[in-house]
Amino acid sequence: DAGVIQSPRHEVTEMGQEVTLRCKPISGHNSLFWYRQTMMRGLELLIYFNNNVPIDDSGMPEDRFSAKMPNASFSTLKIQPSEPRDSAVYFCASSPLAGGRETQYFGPGTRLLVL
Amino acid sequence: GDSVTQMEGPVTLSEEAFLTINCTYTATGYPSLFWYVQYPGEGLQLLLKATKADDKGSNKGFEATYRKETTSFHLEKGSVQVSDSAVYFCALTQAAGNKLTFGGGTRVLVKP
Repeated sequence: DAGVIQSPRHEVTEMGQEVTLRCKPISGHNSLFWYRQTMMRGLELLIYFNNNVPIDDSGMPEDRFSAKMPNASFSTLKIQPSEPRDSAVYFCASSPLAGGRETQYFGPGTRLLVL
Repeated sequence: GDSVTQMEGPVTLSEEAFLTINCTYTATGYPSLFWYVQYPGEGLQLLLKATKADDKGSNKGFEATYRKETTSFHLEKGSVQVSDSAVYFCALTQAAGNKLTFGGGTRVLVKP
């Protein structure tokens, strides 16, 4: 069974450039989560989707960040324009949608460095 | 709102020592409680969980018991190995949704 797939695994870009992170959730999972992890702020939930619909985007830092889930098997997190403070590891996770007792399965993360 | 508090690390132990990581939570209702582990360079993975009061979750020699009276879910392992070196996260979800609320994480380093 393939787990959550994220691409790219590493991204180095220059300030001002657009960055797109991609995620393929586990087949059959209908909840998808985007997290950001930094040393300073720890693990933060950015946004999550249920059945491809954004439910809570209160963690999205600002308008430079956007996320989409056009279908059940694909999601993107876009940063435009990127800034050095966006450097972090971004994780995607998926789970079945069921009453809060389900495990979230995390991808390996995308390590982003904005110069 | 909901919150999870866990002891700050790093926790440094010798191999075969006893490990305890304290976790307490603040939440309404009856949340489910989780411990996730993050090995170096990897994503988080579920270590164990408990979905109701007095439940004990266990996996890989780790245990945690859901204590509603003390709002705690402390993680324990009787004899740690070097391979247990990782960051451990305590978390909760509410029954009405599946959004995880994480603690700050505790880094554990086990030395040979």
